Amino acid sequence: SQTIHQWPATLVQPVGSPLSLECTVEGTSNPNLYWYRQAAGRGLQLLFYSVGIGQISSEVPQNLSASRPQDRQFILSSKKLLLSDSGFYLCAWSVTVLHEKLFFGSGTQLSVL
Amino acid sequence: GESVGLHLPTLSVQEGDNSIINCAYSNSASDYFIWYKQESGKGPQFIIDIRSNMDKRQGQRVTVLLNKTVKHLSLQIAATQPGDSAVYFCAENGKGGNEKLTFGTGTRLTIIP
Repeated sequence: SQTIHQWPATLVQPVGSPLSLECTVEGTSNPNLYWYRQAAGRGLQLLFYSVGIGQISSEVPQNLSASRPQDRQFILSSKKLLLSDSGFYLCAWSVTVLHEKLFFGSGTQLSVL
Repeated sequence: GESVGLHLPTLSVQEGDNSIINCAYSNSASDYFIWYKQESGKGPQFIIDIRSNMDKRQGQRVTVLLNKTVKHLSLQIAATQPGDSAVYFCAENGKGGNEKLTFGTGTRLTIIP
């Protein structure tokens, strides 16, 4: 069966520090991969998605970036975190149709202080 | 702009009763809808999805109903259990066909023992 691993679960970072969140999927090949952010009381916001290695689509202009160095690995990065980057970050995957039937990871609660 | 909303932000249901969670969507061109369950501090969990060529779809203890005439989606949970306590939210795919999911903010379901 397919599983998705996302870490760390919680992260506290100072403003201006770099960020690297990693997500890996097991049990499937060539998945569509996604990064979402969830702010308190708001719907999920799509940040990036990828249909294959090295292919990244960005949805929201920001100081975040994403990379997909391997088929089942998706990384969310920032060179310098802002206070507004705080939130709950979720990685997700899907197969076949893009943006349908997403399965989410356990999330990373990021606090930028 | 397009939006996906919920009629009620909170819902309390007696254990053993059926729960009905509602969702309104504004884009009549949406052709795919999905429900998620999210427990506190965890990632969203896929419950059930439905395409616009269907009015009803059933899963294990859950039923999704789609009324395209009034652009309304509902999730019915039969014989609600304490483990059903969570935030439930719906999403639509916008204009259809590889369009990105737009998520609602969610309804908090509380089970009364």
